[in-house]
Amino acid sequence: KQEVTQIPAALSVPEGENLVLNCSFTDSAIYNLQWFRQDPGKGLTSLLLIQSSQREQTSGRLNASLDKSSGRSTLYIAASQPGDSATYLCAVPGGWTTDSWGKFQFGAGTQVVVTP
Amino acid sequence: DAGVTQSPTHLIKTRGQHVTLRCSPISGHKSVSWYQQVLGQGPQFIFQYYEKEERGRGNFPDRFSARQFPNYSSELNVNALLLGDSALYLCASSPGPLRGLDGYTFGSGTRLTVV
Repeated sequence: KQEVTQIPAALSVPEGENLVLNCSFTDSAIYNLQWFRQDPGKGLTSLLLIQSSQREQTSGRLNASLDKSSGRSTLYIAASQPGDSATYLCAVPGGWTTDSWGKFQFGAGTQVVVTP
Repeated sequence: DAGVTQSPTHLIKTRGQHVTLRCSPISGHKSVSWYQQVLGQGPQFIFQYYEKEERGRGNFPDRFSARQFPNYSSELNVNALLLGDSALYLCASSPGPLRGLDGYTFGSGTRLTVV
């Protein structure tokens, strides 16, 4: 069964520092991986989707890398701002068989605080 | 176009009561999935419905049930509420069951508090 782990669970940095968030998964045969942002008590905001054939995906200050062989993805946020304070979650599909489609496995998230 | 709509946004229930949560998918989407997110954890899969049929079920007790209507909206029902059912319930819609994460859109969730 696919398991997803995010370390660290919490992170606090001063404004301007770069953020590095890690996501590990046990089954490297993933179809794609997605990073989400979640503000307190709110739903999920999609940040970046990276396909299994890609090594990285970029959007503005965000960059996500994927290393399937080692079962890892990293989300980099450059020049952090207080508005980046949120919980960041990664998710992978549940498996390749059709009965797994739609059953996503999420990590528990990394709670980020960016101090002014 | 409206996104995924969930109602209500918040509610408070007493232990032992029953609750119904609602989800309206994006127009044209025929599949709805439900997730439970307990505070401090990632979302856990509960159900997926496609064309009004249950297509998948996570590891949740029979107190949890759901259904999908002809207009593809969905209801999640929870009977005999426990304190541990307090969570954010998320709905995701998609055109159909998809292998990957692309194509799924999540709603803003319903915050359920059981007292």
